[in-house]
Amino acid sequence: NAGVTQTPKFQVLKTGQSMTLQCAQDMNHEYMSWYRQDPGMGLRLIHYSVGAGITDQGEVPNGYNVSRSTTEDFPLRLLSAAPSQTSVYFCASSSIGTGKVNTEAFFGQGTRLTVV
Amino acid sequence: GDSVTQMEGPVTLSEEAFLTINCTYTATGYPSLFWYVQYPGEGLQLLLKATKADDKGSNKGFEATYRKETTSFHLEKGSVQVSDSAVYFCALSSGSARQLTFGSGTQLTVLP
Repeated sequence: NAGVTQTPKFQVLKTGQSMTLQCAQDMNHEYMSWYRQDPGMGLRLIHYSVGAGITDQGEVPNGYNVSRSTTEDFPLRLLSAAPSQTSVYFCASSSIGTGKVNTEAFFGQGTRLTVV
Repeated sequence: GDSVTQMEGPVTLSEEAFLTINCTYTATGYPSLFWYVQYPGEGLQLLLKATKADDKGSNKGFEATYRKETTSFHLEKGSVQVSDSAVYFCALSSGSARQLTFGSGTQLTVLP
């Protein structure tokens, strides 16, 4: 099983450039999310989606856009890259589950982005 | 809002030493609690979880007990191995949401 696949693994951008980080999962999970990981700050939620056609903002959404046209894919777009967006980005997916049961989140291997 | 406070790192131990990584939380309602582990160059993997008070999660020799009275979920292992070297994250999920709130992570290095 591929699980959650992120591409690219590494990327260097110039300030002002745009790009899309790809995320795909093959587990038919309804819930997908994007996090950024910065030293000493853990992972912070950027955007999330509970199903195709439905997205919402997380804790740090500014400068990022997302869309969810299919269950499998959840790309993250940087519209105009800034040095403050230098980070490691993780995509995650999980099934919605029922009631209070919080099911396991599966993470991709991450994209290390540097904006110069 | 929800928050997780995790023991500051880095932590360096000798092989077979006892490990404790402290984690406390603030949340509305009754959250589910998790420990995730990140090995070098990889994404996060679920290590263990607990969904209600007094539950004990366990996996690979690691344990953590959901303590509602102290709002804590400390991670313990009786005898660490070199292969346990990684970054450990405490996290919670509250209500019907699926968003995870993470602590800052603790880097563990185990020396032979």
